[in-house]
Amino acid sequence: DAGVTQSPTHLIKTRGQQVTLRCSPISGHKSVSWYQQVLGQGPQFIFQYYEKEERGRGNFPDRFSARQFPNYSSELNVNALLLGDSALYLCASSLELAADTQYFGPGTRLTVL
Amino acid sequence: AQKITQTQPGMFVQEKEAVTLDCTYDTSDPSYGLFWYKQPSSGEMIFLIYQGSYDQQNATEGRYSLNFQKARKSANLVISASQLGDSAMYFCAMGRSASGGSYIPTFGRGTSLIVHP
Repeated sequence: DAGVTQSPTHLIKTRGQQVTLRCSPISGHKSVSWYQQVLGQGPQFIFQYYEKEERGRGNFPDRFSARQFPNYSSELNVNALLLGDSALYLCASSLELAADTQYFGPGTRLTVL
Repeated sequence: AQKITQTQPGMFVQEKEAVTLDCTYDTSDPSYGLFWYKQPSSGEMIFLIYQGSYDQQNATEGRYSLNFQKARKSANLVISASQLGDSAMYFCAMGRSASGGSYIPTFGRGTSLIVHP
């Protein structure tokens, strides 16, 4: 079975622009979480979605938003990009909402110039 | 609030030897989970091992074992018989159930492991 997939792999944007990142979970997994990993640090939780509803949110500004589709895939949107948004954005899927094991995708590396 | 501390920014080990990566945590939650992930230079986080706070025995997965000492709030990862392919960043994480039913992990800053031939 295919693992978690993310697109695009790399992305370069300029300050003030908007970006959309995409994630497809492992088949059968209903929960998708998004993380931001700045260079030299561990991942920081942004959102968790389950059955198309937001079920958890980390300490990120409203410029960050996400949604989950009926096929459980998900998009992360970031508006009004700042230089500090440059990071690796990781998507993880799990079988259920409270599942204790998440499986990560390869990530999207976003560079904001 | 939860906190994960990994005090070793970098570790070196000879191939075929064992290595221990340290992790301490702080939480007031009675129930939690502890995880270790491996992140190669490609960026993908690879799940290695999980330990529940109520598990009596230390978790093991192949060459990986988690040395769980609840009273000391430590969850060290032991890799036996190191291989060159083990060279990567290793992250300790703690998960907790949050409002809304979500399960949120908090990650440490990571330890870079280099395995020498």
